[in-house]
Amino acid sequence: DAGVTQSPTHLIKTRGQHVTLRCSPISGHKSVSWYQQVLGQGPQFIFQYYEKEERGRGNFPDRFSARQFPNYSSELNVNALLLGDSALYLCASSFGRRYEQYFGPGTRLTVT
Amino acid sequence: GIQVEQSPPDLILQEGANSTLRCNFSDSVNNLQWFHQNPWGQLINLFYIPSGTKQNGRLSATTVATERYSLLYISSSQTTDSGVYFCAVEPLNYGGSQGNLIFGKGTKLSVKP
Repeated sequence: DAGVTQSPTHLIKTRGQHVTLRCSPISGHKSVSWYQQVLGQGPQFIFQYYEKEERGRGNFPDRFSARQFPNYSSELNVNALLLGDSALYLCASSFGRRYEQYFGPGTRLTVT
Repeated sequence: GIQVEQSPPDLILQEGANSTLRCNFSDSVNNLQWFHQNPWGQLINLFYIPSGTKQNGRLSATTVATERYSLLYISSSQTTDSGVYFCAVEPLNYGGSQGNLIFGKGTKLSVKP
């Protein structure tokens, strides 16, 4: 079975621009979570979506938003990019809200 | 919020050596996972272990939930074991953000040939 997939793999954007990152969960999984990992730190929780509804939100500004589609794939959107948004963005899928999470390969975002 | 502390932060081993990584957490948890992050950033699931002991080949893990710690054992280490090992917990009571994982800062392991 295919694992969690994310696109694109790498992305370079300019300050002030907008970015959309995409994630497809493992088949049968209904929950998708997004994490941000800056260099030298552990991943930090941004959002969790379950059954197409936001079920949890971390300590991130309103410039970050997400949604989940009927096929359980998800998008993470970041507006008005700042240099500090440069990071590895990881998507995780799980069967339900409180189950083992499996991570995708990540999207490495560089903001210049 | 819950605090997750991993030790040691860095570990250098000779190939074939054994090691123990520790994860302490400050509150009750619903879930605890160990991950290995490879140099390309991929987080690989090692163990889902909210309590008890599990083994998978050369790796084993023990979580003592009542004492709020978990241990990851690596035996007969190989160069391919190099990378960063993360412990992540899901708090038992976290209001509206149930289901999210809180990560420690990781242990960076280097295995020399």
